[in-house]
Amino acid sequence: EVHLVESGGGLVQPGVSLRVSCAASGFTFRSYWMHWVRQAPGKGLVWVSRISGDGSTTNYADSVKGRFTISRDNAKNTLYLQMNSLRAEDTAVYYCVKDSVYSFDYWGQGTLLTVSS
Amino acid sequence: DIVMTQTPLSLSVTPGQPASISCKSSQSLLNSDGKTYLYWYLQKPGHSPQLLIYEVSSRFSGVPDRFSGSGSGTDFTLKISRVEADDVGVYYCMQGINLPLTFGGGTKVEIK
Repeated sequence: EVHLVESGGGLVQPGVSLRVSCAASGFTFRSYWMHWVRQAPGKGLVWVSRISGDGSTTNYADSVKGRFTISRDNAKNTLYLQMNSLRAEDTAVYYCVKDSVYSFDYWGQGTLLTVSS
Repeated sequence: DIVMTQTPLSLSVTPGQPASISCKSSQSLLNSDGKTYLYWYLQKPGHSPQLLIYEVSSRFSGVPDRFSGSGSGTDFTLKISRVEADDVGVYYCMQGINLPLTFGGGTKVEIK
């Protein structure tokens, strides 16, 4: 059974950095693209970033380009999102999402990041 | 960016009655490979989104057959033939043809 468990969220001040993680299990992690999708409180879903199975290709939404870095450790079956220069508008639940031929077939439970002074 | 527009914003449905949600994209989601990259997700209250429909009309594993998707090009529809209490939540369409991947604003379905 596929499991995606995010961690690392919390309350931080504007301008600081934070890394969130996603521990994956139940599938061959290195074989799949992985994504981060976020959802601000009471708002809709917004795609943030994606990474190829081998980590060689990454893409970002314009709103986070240059500030966020997606990465993965296939030996540890873990996906990361390094977030720098955090802003209030980055406040959201961050979901780790598995990609497949069916698109986003499995989602984690999410980790809440709150950026506030 | 491709803009995904969903209507209505919300829907109140009597159990056993049908429901329909529209999703329109600002450009065609038909790819040169012949596939149309339109997906539907349901986010139940307090839960993460879950995949319902991929490539316009294919139901994901375990999705009841009362859910169906249709459409082509830029106009798409999700239909629930007979709404049940378990179907409440927010429904999102998403396009997967171009980056950035974009979602519709969501349609909240509640039970009367």
